[in-house]
Amino acid sequence: QAVVTQEPSLTVSPGGTVTLTCGSSTGAVTSGHYPFWFQQKPGQAPRTLIYDTTNKHSWTPARFSGSLLGGKAALTLSGAQPEDEAEYYCLLSYSDARVFGGGTKLTVL
Amino acid sequence: EVQLVESGGGLVKPGGSLRLSCAASGFTFTNAWMNWVRQAPGKGLEWVGRIRTKADGGTTAYAAPVKGRFIISTDDSKNTLFLEMNSLKTEDTGVYYCSAGPSWGQGTLVTVSS
Repeated sequence: QAVVTQEPSLTVSPGGTVTLTCGSSTGAVTSGHYPFWFQQKPGQAPRTLIYDTTNKHSWTPARFSGSLLGGKAALTLSGAQPEDEAEYYCLLSYSDARVFGGGTKLTVL
Repeated sequence: EVQLVESGGGLVKPGGSLRLSCAASGFTFTNAWMNWVRQAPGKGLEWVGRIRTKADGGTTAYAAPVKGRFIISTDDSKNTLFLEMNSLKTEDTGVYYCSAGPSWGQGTLVTVSS
């Protein structure tokens, strides 16, 4: 089974910009992995932010964006807000299987 | 409004069985691929498996740790997704979520312990 890797933790200043990445043990992440990004706050269910690499849902704040960057999927937060402090997970598709990354704990400080 | 409501969690002994349900509303259930995802206490998300719509063949796929022990099914007449869990292990303990597209339920807790 593939392993999906994320930064364990990142810190961003309020108003700052940060990029979270999502890599695959099988090689470069492509649009064919249909990358998803989820946000989870303590005690809450996950919330879908990005699907199919770049697409946002109606509830996704405009400051979040998805892309492919250097062979990885990326989630960029521009203009971080205190309420963005959370755990972020990516999800990649491999044929019939899906694999989550280990999550990135984002601190806004 | 899309709603997904999981139920059926609880305490079960190792080797036992449990069936989880996910009641769906607010969307066309028969058009949605459904997923189960779990989260062990203090740990990250783990994909458990998914079922395609009947129009797409109705086939299932499972993560390696649960393959052969868990079965995903649906009752389209009741807009309900199921997860039948057999031969449960302590490492199956966690909150189990169902998801459809971008929507998630609130989860149900499964504890496997003697």
